[in-house]
Amino acid sequence: GPKVLQIPSHQIIDMGQMVTLNCDPVSNHLYFYWYKQILGQQMEFLVNFYNGKVMEKSKLFKDQFSVERPDGSYFTLKIQPTALEDSAVYFCASSLKGAPLFGEGTRLSVL
Amino acid sequence: DAKTTQPDSMESTEGETVHLPCSHATISGNEYIYWYRQVPLQGPEYVTHGLQQNTTNSMAFLAIASDRKSSTLILPHVSLRDAAVYHCILRASNYGNEKITFGAGTKLTIKP
Repeated sequence: GPKVLQIPSHQIIDMGQMVTLNCDPVSNHLYFYWYKQILGQQMEFLVNFYNGKVMEKSKLFKDQFSVERPDGSYFTLKIQPTALEDSAVYFCASSLKGAPLFGEGTRLSVL
Repeated sequence: DAKTTQPDSMESTEGETVHLPCSHATISGNEYIYWYRQVPLQGPEYVTHGLQQNTTNSMAFLAIASDRKSSTLILPHVSLRDAAVYHCILRASNYGNEKITFGAGTKLTIKP
């Protein structure tokens, strides 16, 4: 069946660096989401995105975060600069209508 | 602002039928009931959803009370692969403009 792919599966960076997390959504999906999950904790909503615009963002979506979908391909989450508390697994999801389909996540380790 | 209440954990044995309860006493008329499950180190997996009528698919049966204030996810003949955290979620729309908000869910443990 259709899948949401996230690249890379694991990324390690130094605090203060920029990082871009990539999500390859299902091809005909129009709505995109990012979630953050710290190990052992609940999944937290960050942002959703439609038609080139952020629709809603949570308090966790700091000013250092940005999202875009350049060229209609990857949906990206950029963090600049990164902080230690950004270490987590970031999940991307996409939907057309109905249930969002989630990727397997990118584990981000900020040192 | 948790809108659903689920037990923290449940345990069952392979081959049994599991009933996972969810209480949503303040559900609005336009809110759908969604179920997802998540195993460690993987993304959430959609299980099923419904509005008013009971629904069934290859994974589960969703029984919705007539007053919609509670629902039960029924997993027939569970296997070890069904061990996961199951999330009962209310969503104001069936469309993508509405996010999915996760709670703590019910951790389902399956014994061999």
